[in-house]
Amino acid sequence: GENVEQHPSTLSVQEGDSAVIKCTYSDSASNYFPWYKQELGKRPQLIIDIRSNVGEKKDQRIAVTLNKTAKHFSLHITETQPEDSAVYFCAAWRTGGFKTIFGAGTRLFVKA
Amino acid sequence: DTAVSQTPKYLVTQMGNDKSIKCEQNLGHDTMYWYKQDSKKFLKIMFSYNNKELIINETVPNRFSPKSPDKAHLNLHINSLELGDSAVYFCASSQLAGVREQYFGPGTRLTVT
Repeated sequence: GENVEQHPSTLSVQEGDSAVIKCTYSDSASNYFPWYKQELGKRPQLIIDIRSNVGEKKDQRIAVTLNKTAKHFSLHITETQPEDSAVYFCAAWRTGGFKTIFGAGTRLFVKA
Repeated sequence: DTAVSQTPKYLVTQMGNDKSIKCEQNLGHDTMYWYKQDSKKFLKIMFSYNNKELIINETVPNRFSPKSPDKAHLNLHINSLELGDSAVYFCASSQLAGVREQYFGPGTRLTVT
């Protein structure tokens, strides 16, 4: 069945360093890839997304890249700050599909 | 002007009891979901409704029964609660056509003792 694998499960970085989270999806028909951030005790919220007709998208300190051939997409956070500490979920969806497939999540710790 | 709301926020109950969680969205979305998030933070989809019609019914014990009285509401009723049901339950909604972003409710932390 459809699956999204996410790595690493935990990531610890120093403030100011970059963080990269990687995901691989199995359904080659997937064409929408959102990333959600969940702070402690809060709800998941969309922070950036990318569609399959785009290879890269950037929004200030966060960027997402997509390699359709490899069925691989990544989240890049530059100049990390303590408030970036959260659980990040990647996900995949395809036109006509009823559900978004979520990765298992990455706990990001940014040490001040 | 909360987009997706859930009640209650916390629910502590004993094994064997029956409880309900309510969800409402005021975004005009067609699709609503229930997710279970366990202690390891994994988001597992349970059910989805589109315009009051059940479209996703994952492998969930039949003690869990969703109900959608209209497309703005999706409730979750749980019978004979078990210890393993303890988790955070999130309601979410999205527009089926167009943008696929899901808007999550604040979550209901269920603790079964």
